[in-house]
Amino acid sequence: DAGVIQSPRHEVTEMGQEVTLRCKPISGHDYLFWYRQTMMRGLELLIYFNNNVPIDDSGMPEDRFSAKMPNASFSTLKIQPSEPRDSAVYFCASSSHAPLGNTIYFGEGSWLTVV
Amino acid sequence: GQQLNQSPQSMFIQEGEDVSMNCTSSSIFNTWLWYKQDPGEGPVLLIALYKAGELTSNGRLTAQFGITRKDSFLNISASIPSDVGIYFCAGQLSGNTPLVFGKGTRLSVIA
Repeated sequence: DAGVIQSPRHEVTEMGQEVTLRCKPISGHDYLFWYRQTMMRGLELLIYFNNNVPIDDSGMPEDRFSAKMPNASFSTLKIQPSEPRDSAVYFCASSSHAPLGNTIYFGEGSWLTVV
Repeated sequence: GQQLNQSPQSMFIQEGEDVSMNCTSSSIFNTWLWYKQDPGEGPVLLIALYKAGELTSNGRLTAQFGITRKDSFLNISASIPSDVGIYFCAGQLSGNTPLVFGKGTRLSVIA
C-alpha cells in the first residue's frame, strides 16, 4: 500500500525564491497535516485540513507561508519568499477519522535548505 | 498551546541494555502515541494507547498510558543497534484535535 508521498525529498534554494512542497495523502484519509521539524523546536504543526478544508492554520509562521488542498489526493505548502530560517524538514501526514483511527501516518519529509 | 515534556533529551547506551523514556503533560490526554524516526525518514508509529492504565507491547517495546492520563512511558528491552533514532511521544486531547508532539528522545546504541 502506498503511504504518504511527498516531493521533493530535498531542495536547496536561494533566499527570496518561491518554494512549493507537495503531498499526496493515503487514499481514503480525510485529514491532512503539515508539520515542520527543526532541532530547536521539534515537530510543529503548521496547518491541517479535514475533507480538503483548512481547519486550523494557527501554526503557520507568517504570511509568507500558505497551504492549499484542492482535492482529496493533493496538497501544497508554499513559501514565498523563502528565508534561511525556513530551512527545516517539512512533513506531510494523513489520518482517517475512525473511532480508533486517530493515528497519523507521515511521509518521508521534504528537506529544505534556503541559502 | 499544549506542551509535552519528554525526557531524557538524549541517551547513549550499550547494546543489550534496557531503555526507559517518558512524557508528561499538564493536560489530560485521551490518547498517547509513540513514534520512532530513523535518520532521514519520517516518524513511524510504534504503539498507540487509548485507555488510562493500558499497557501495550510491540516486540521489545512496551508502553503505558499513565493512570492520571497526564503521562506515558516507553521501555525498550535488550537494545540493539537498529534501535538508534529519535523517539517521539504524542498526545491527543480529543478525537477532533490534532496530535501534540514531544521534542523527542535521541537514542544512540553503542555496540
